[in-house]
Amino acid sequence: GAVVSQHPSRVICKSGTSVKIECRSLDFQATTMFWYRQFPKKSLMLMATSNEGSKATYEQGVEKDKFLINHASLTLSTLTVTSAHPEDSSFYICSARDPTGADTQYFGPGTRLTVL
Amino acid sequence: AQSVTQLGSHVSVSEGALVLLRCNYSSSVPPYLFWYVQYPNQGLQLLLKYTSAATLVKGINGFEAEFKKSETSFHLTKPSAHMSDAAEYFCAVSLTSGTYKYIFGTGTRLKVLA
Repeated sequence: GAVVSQHPSRVICKSGTSVKIECRSLDFQATTMFWYRQFPKKSLMLMATSNEGSKATYEQGVEKDKFLINHASLTLSTLTVTSAHPEDSSFYICSARDPTGADTQYFGPGTRLTVL
Repeated sequence: AQSVTQLGSHVSVSEGALVLLRCNYSSSVPPYLFWYVQYPNQGLQLLLKYTSAATLVKGINGFEAEFKKSETSFHLTKPSAHMSDAAEYFCAVSLTSGTYKYIFGTGTRLKVLA
């Protein structure tokens, strides 16, 4: 149980285009999901908290107009990187909060974004 | 404010030797603590968690961690390292503000020598 998937696993795009990354909880409903960014050999940086049916809460310094988050259902959250630039290249990881409690997050396998 | 410190960004052990990865936390209230493992180019997998029940927590793959309030520590151990244990390990504390957010440590890369 508690499986979280991400799609795509890898994406390469041209500068100026937009990319959408999907995060799905496969066997549980997640009212809260999180989006992280991880730089090479670094820890995870929380970008935003995604709540089903409401606006995402962004961390300080994260551009909400650039990183659009939608949590339209209890099993799906999407992150859209708009007008991507090479500096947006990174490993993006989502997680879903276990609704049964204990604050456990289950993580997706990550998406490697490369912007040319 | 809550925080997590992982001592040692790189740890090397011989195959079969004891694994000890250190994690210290700072929290004004009883914390929830977690250890995750990340293999290259993959997401994080939950190893174990402390949620104010037993102080000695057993996880997957033979790992365990002991919550020591007096030392504000939650070190991860495994009696005998396997080559497959080579990975990045993250300690995390869950914020108690009701946001369910984590604060992650900076990670420890474990290398297992043959």
